[in-house]
Amino acid sequence: GQNIDQPTEMTATEGAIVQINCTYQTSGFNGLFWYQQHAGEAPTFLSYNVLDGLEEKGRFSSFLSRSKGYSYLLLKELQMKDSASYLCAVDWTGGFKTIFGAGTRLFVKA
Amino acid sequence: DADVTQTPRNRITKTGKRIMLECSQTKGHDRMYWYRQDPGLGLRLIYYSFDVKDINKGEISDGYSVSRQAQAKFSLSLESAIPNQTALYFCATSESGPTDTQYFGPGTRLTVL
Repeated sequence: GQNIDQPTEMTATEGAIVQINCTYQTSGFNGLFWYQQHAGEAPTFLSYNVLDGLEEKGRFSSFLSRSKGYSYLLLKELQMKDSASYLCAVDWTGGFKTIFGAGTRLFVKA
Repeated sequence: DADVTQTPRNRITKTGKRIMLECSQTKGHDRMYWYRQDPGLGLRLIYYSFDVKDINKGEISDGYSVSRQAQAKFSLSLESAIPNQTALYFCATSESGPTDTQYFGPGTRLTVL
């Protein structure tokens, strides 16, 4: 299968740093997306990683290790508005197929 | 104005009724998708279309059909709605190319009684 695993829920404190992990099957892997989805709203694109390493974009960074089938999304200086679900999605080779994980719900508390 | 729009935004219907959900985009993208989202299950692909003449089934196409009327329009139909089709439905678009960043519509919340 093409299992994508990420924690169901996480809680963090305003101003802190949180890391959301995602693991996936490496066979046929092409690249990995992170999307943010606020409750009842559409997912919005955050990042796409195809090469190993860390890519930073403001308060958000995304890391990929292709050999380990592992990615994480790092959120710094957490704000209340960061409370949302974060979806890990894998782009597979061999024709179109982007598969979404179930998402991690992040609660940011004061 | 939103780049990807969906109508209706909310719909309550009864078992056995035929329902059509519509999606329009002004992004000029060739690729369009329909997903459903259920709590704890994430987004699951129903159908996708790479251009007007190309329609493909996703992982959960049973009970659904689609029509790509134009590059900008992609409709999802439930021929005979059943309660387990109650879900949040999203349309998405992407450009043709090596990556597949998707842009989602606001969603349609469908309830089948």
